[in-house]
Amino acid sequence: AQKVTQAQTEISVVEKEDVTLDCVYETRDTTYYLFWYKQPPSGELVFLIRRNSFDEQNEISGRYSWNFQKSTSSFNFTITASQVVDSAVYFCALSEARWVGANSKLTFGKGITLSVRP
Amino acid sequence: SAVISQKPSRDICQRGTSLTIQCQVDSQVTMMFWYRQQPGQSLTLIATANQGSEATYESGFVIDKFPISRPNLTFSTLTVSNMSPEDSSIYLCSGRLAGNTQYFGPGTRLTVL
Repeated sequence: AQKVTQAQTEISVVEKEDVTLDCVYETRDTTYYLFWYKQPPSGELVFLIRRNSFDEQNEISGRYSWNFQKSTSSFNFTITASQVVDSAVYFCALSEARWVGANSKLTFGKGITLSVRP
Repeated sequence: SAVISQKPSRDICQRGTSLTIQCQVDSQVTMMFWYRQQPGQSLTLIATANQGSEATYESGFVIDKFPISRPNLTFSTLTVSNMSPEDSSIYLCSGRLAGNTQYFGPGTRLTVL
């Protein structure tokens, strides 16, 4: 069975601080996808990034960066120079990498509530 | 990416009534999903909406309580039947595109009195 653990439940930082959100996953599949989603107070779930299990290259997108390490089954997310608008719940998720027509479910972690204070 | 809309965005309903939530995707998607998010919790998959066949329900969810329709590749509905206060949640639909990426609608906030 697949499992996603986000051990941190709530994080509070002051604006401009860097913050890292941890994600550890379990799966028996050799091919899978990992995701991060952001849920601001408005409630909509916003897709941030997808990483497949073959690609351990770290990625940077503006103030966001992701560190994927298969050896430790982790997919951590760092926000550099945080801003108040980053305040949201962040979910890490995992799915099998199946063909498009197959039913491939997303398994979500419990989410991390990030509060960025001015 | 995909743009997904849901109607209604929120509703307050009386116990024992039913509510149908609509989900519209701006492009054809092979898979659509319905999730429930109880207050302060993560997302729980209710069912996969299959086009042209019955939905596939997860453990703990049944068709009589959550009937789903999927008449075409861009539209689905979820009905929450015979509601009780325990059904108060956010209900989200998603559509899956290439790379198994799911894009989500804005959610429907349901309060049952």
